[in-house]
Order: sequence, then C-alpha cells, then structure tokens
Amino acid sequence: GNSVTQMEGPVTLSEEAFLTINCTYTATGYPSLFWYVQYPGEGLQLLLKATKADDKGSNKGFEATYRKETTSFHLEKGSVQVSDSAVYFCALSAVSGNTPLVFGKGTRLSVIA
Amino acid sequence: DVKVTQSSRYLVKRTGEKVFLECVQDMDHENMFWYRQDPGLGLRLIYFSYDVKMKEKGDIPEGYSVSREKKERFSLILESASTNQTSMYLCASRVSYEQYFGPGTRLTVT
Repeated sequence: GNSVTQMEGPVTLSEEAFLTINCTYTATGYPSLFWYVQYPGEGLQLLLKATKADDKGSNKGFEATYRKETTSFHLEKGSVQVSDSAVYFCALSAVSGNTPLVFGKGTRLSVIA
Repeated sequence: DVKVTQSSRYLVKRTGEKVFLECVQDMDHENMFWYRQDPGLGLRLIYFSYDVKMKEKGDIPEGYSVSREKKERFSLILESASTNQTSMYLCASRVSYEQYFGPGTRLTVT
C-alpha cells in the first residue's frame, strides 16, 4: 500500500541555518505530494504541494521538488526563522478516488535565536 | 477562506461517558475526516465520509463511531470513553486533493 516516511525529529537549528527535512514515499501510480505544517496549538495547514514529477512546490521560502526517480519530496528552506518552529508533515494523495491522504509521522522543528 | 470549526478546543470527560466531538465546514466539501494525533504516532485516521450518511472506517475505528446527517457536519462519538482515548482529535474536510483542518480538540479522559 501507499506510505510516507519522513526523518524523525526533533530537529533543532539556529536562526538563519539551512533546513532539510527528508521525505520518501511508496505509492502505485503518480500520487500528488504535500507538506503540511502545524504551529503550536493549531491544526495542520497546507504549506506546499506538487502534483507531478519534477514539479517544485514553494511557499513562505520553503521548497520541495517531486523526484519520481528517488521517490522523494524533501522540504528545504535556505534561512529558517524562530517563527518556523512547528511540526512538519509530508503526505501523499493517491491518483484516483476519494482515498484519504497518507501522512508521515511528522518532524518537529525548533529554531533558536 | 475555507473554515473548519470544531466544537471545543479542550474537553475533560470521565471514563464511561458518551462523548460527542462536532466538526463543521463551510465550503460544501463532500469528504470529511477524523484523525487522532499522539506523540510519536503522528496522525491516525479514525473514520471518514464521502457524502451524507456515508462513512468508512479508517485505521483505528475501534471504540468510535461517526454521524453525518448533513453535508457540513461530521460528528465523532466515543460511546464509552476510556483513558486510552485521551488525545488530540483533528477534523478535516477536503476538495480534490487539498485537505483543510480544524484547530483540534484536546480530549482528556480521567
């Protein structure tokens, strides 16, 4: 079946450091891929998405590229801020039907000043 | 903006009580979902619904039931709450492949 594996946290970085959170997936066909972010005390919100191979999703300085050959969708940001401290979830959506999103377990990021 | 609201942010219930968690979305989405979120386990799908009066079991339906009498409202029911159901509960609705989440209900069962 479909699955998502993302790096375990927590990840602690200093402000302005470079961020990478790894995400790999297993799926049949060509799924859509997502990164969701959960700030403290809130629900999840969509950060970025990519719907086909080689697409790059970007938002708020974050980027991720859909790599079919390596089945990966790693999240990157060139210079993190304290306000980026949150839990990040990688997810995929199967190609067809109403099947629910499949989520990774989440990676907690803490950015210190 | 899409809005998904949940009836309570924090809830404390006693073991054995019947508990209702309500979720309402305002964008006429057909698909709605209930998850629980626990440290180290991520999000786990409890139930979902494709349409009014339809429901499907997720990964961990035991001890829960759901109700969807109207398109905008999806209720999660704990028939007899137990301490192992202490958790954060997240509701979501979906159009196409994009999913929108409510703020969550932190339920404590004592």
